[in-house]
Amino acid sequence: DSGVTQTPKHLITATGQRVTLRCSPRSGDLSVYWYQQSLDQGLQFLIQYYNGEERAKGNILERFSAQQFPDLHSELNLSSLELGDSALYFCASSVDFQPKNIQYFGAGTRLSVL
Amino acid sequence: ELKVEQNPLFLSMQEGKNYTIYCNYSTTSDRLYWYRQDPGKSLESLFVLLSNGAVKQEGRLMASLDTKARLSTLHITAAVHDLSATYFCAAGYNDKIIFGKGTRLHILP
Repeated sequence: DSGVTQTPKHLITATGQRVTLRCSPRSGDLSVYWYQQSLDQGLQFLIQYYNGEERAKGNILERFSAQQFPDLHSELNLSSLELGDSALYFCASSVDFQPKNIQYFGAGTRLSVL
Repeated sequence: ELKVEQNPLFLSMQEGKNYTIYCNYSTTSDRLYWYRQDPGKSLESLFVLLSNGAVKQEGRLMASLDTKARLSTLHITAAVHDLSATYFCAAGYNDKIIFGKGTRLHILP
């Protein structure tokens, strides 16, 4: 168990809908990362937050947004969903934003857009 | 544009043998990551390499980085079945983290 909790584990929804994925980092970790894994695109880094502030932005679509709350949990919001958004979404956390720190991954949320 | 290429993409090998997975990246990178993913599972961080010549080892896995050649390697020594998994490398520069396609490693008993 990595200590990173993601909910829900599975999500099935329809095109055009909006969903929210939730991530609770390991106790004491200030940095949260979001990744997407799909058959088409492979693994992609989406966005990183550190202590409530956006730290780095990767290949995140404009339809997607994220935030990190004062209690350090993070949410990834996906809107106007398309079939191609079906993927595994992973959250990871680390102590701070330094690249040298190991990231600990949650079990992921599997999103199916029908 | 930073691109990351892993090879081989699939590797089947016998227990007890040694092998190397290669990770090439196309432009400047200031960090190189290796991850492991078991089928149907999440990712596990293995190594972070930050400087030229960096070498890290954990059990039968050893990772190295040559920034001049833009190459990282993951060497498996005396493979055992438990190491069967998909291994990803990822290169980072500033805000960007780009992943390779992964190497699916199958170790035959």
